[in-house]
Amino acid sequence: GNSVTQMEGPVTLSEEAFLTINCTYTATGYPSLFWYVQYPGEGLQLLLKATKADDKGSNKGFEATYRKETTSFHLEKGSVQVSDSAVYFCALAGTGYSSASKIIFGSGTRLSIRP
Amino acid sequence: GAGVSQSPSNKVTEKGKDVELRCDPISGHTALYWYRQRLGQGLEFLIYFQGNSAPDKSGLPSDRFSAERTGESVSTLTIQRTQQEDSAVYLCASSLDGRADFGYTFGSGTRLTVV
Repeated sequence: GNSVTQMEGPVTLSEEAFLTINCTYTATGYPSLFWYVQYPGEGLQLLLKATKADDKGSNKGFEATYRKETTSFHLEKGSVQVSDSAVYFCALAGTGYSSASKIIFGSGTRLSIRP
Repeated sequence: GAGVSQSPSNKVTEKGKDVELRCDPISGHTALYWYRQRLGQGLEFLIYFQGNSAPDKSGLPSDRFSAERTGESVSTLTIQRTQQEDSAVYLCASSLDGRADFGYTFGSGTRLTVV
């Protein structure tokens, strides 16, 4: 079945550092891929998405490129800020009726940014 | 409404009691989803509604869990004879037409504590 594996946390970085959070997936067909973010005390929010191979999703300085050849969707940001401290979830939605009915989430990566 | 609304935001209950959790999706969203997030873990899919039918309830962990939805509106998740392992944040999400590959909008969740 479909699954998502993401880098375990916690990840602690200094402000202005470069961020990569790795995510790989297993799916049949051509899934859509997402990164969701959960800020402290808040609900999950969609950060970015990509719906086909080689698409790049971007938002708030974060980027992720859908790589079908490596089944990956790594999240990157060139210069992190303290306000980026949150839990980040990689996720996918499959194709076909039953697969498209739900999003499968990874286990989440907690990111902490030091001033 | 403007967003997905869940109530209560917090619920403490005694082991063995029944609880009802409510979700009000965004007006016009035909699809509604329930997830569970245990402390420090990822999101676990429970059930998906399209309108008031549930084509995918594969994630309900036991027959103590049930959910219903009235038309394309409110949904209630009921947990009977609660156990301590039911303690978690229960998240509801909705989407416009059931295409999970477009992403969801999440509510803030109900934090359930079984003592």
